[in-house]
Amino acid sequence: DAGVIQSPRHEVTEMGQEVTLRCKPISGHNSLFWYRQTMMRGLELLIYFNNNVPIDDSGMPEDRFSAKMPNASFSTLKIQPSEPRDSAVYFCASSFGGQLNSPLHFGNGTRLTVT
Amino acid sequence: GENVEQHPSTLSVQEGDSAVIKCTYSDSASNYFPWYKQELGKRPQLIIDIRSNVGEKKDQRIAVTLNKTAKHFSLHITETQPEDSAVYFCAAGGSQGNLIFGKGTKLSVKP
Repeated sequence: DAGVIQSPRHEVTEMGQEVTLRCKPISGHNSLFWYRQTMMRGLELLIYFNNNVPIDDSGMPEDRFSAKMPNASFSTLKIQPSEPRDSAVYFCASSFGGQLNSPLHFGNGTRLTVT
Repeated sequence: GENVEQHPSTLSVQEGDSAVIKCTYSDSASNYFPWYKQELGKRPQLIIDIRSNVGEKKDQRIAVTLNKTAKHFSLHITETQPEDSAVYFCAAGGSQGNLIFGKGTKLSVKP
């Protein structure tokens, strides 16, 4: 199994530009999570999906952030417009049956730099 | 909601010594407590987890203890090796279905 696949690995963009991060979960996993990691705030859950349906998006910072999961094998996290304070590593993770029933498998992350 | 505190934020030990990382949580309904290890520039990976029906779990040099009354749990690494150097995260989850992570402990093992 290739694991959770994220793209791109690195993204450098200018303030105001749209950024789209992509994730392919492990085949057979029905829960998908987007996390943001910074030195100051640690690992923060932004949103998670169960069976392609968004369950909890209370961690999404503001309306500039949106996430979709059109099918079981693909999800996107979009930031529009991006701001320097969005600079962080964004991780996608998947599991079977939610966060509490089986281990989270993280992707390699996308390091986002907004200048 | 759940709040997880993790201590210390940094820990330096000599190779062969033991390392202990402690976490406290606030939601008494939490019943799942995993630990993740993140090496520099890499993704977090699960190393051990414990559920509220057990007090201790061991896997080779790693052990986790849970005290539900006091609402704290700890990670113990014995006979530390340089490759144990990483950031370790505790997490707690339960009543809300969410997993809340601690801020992490940077462990350095000096040869």
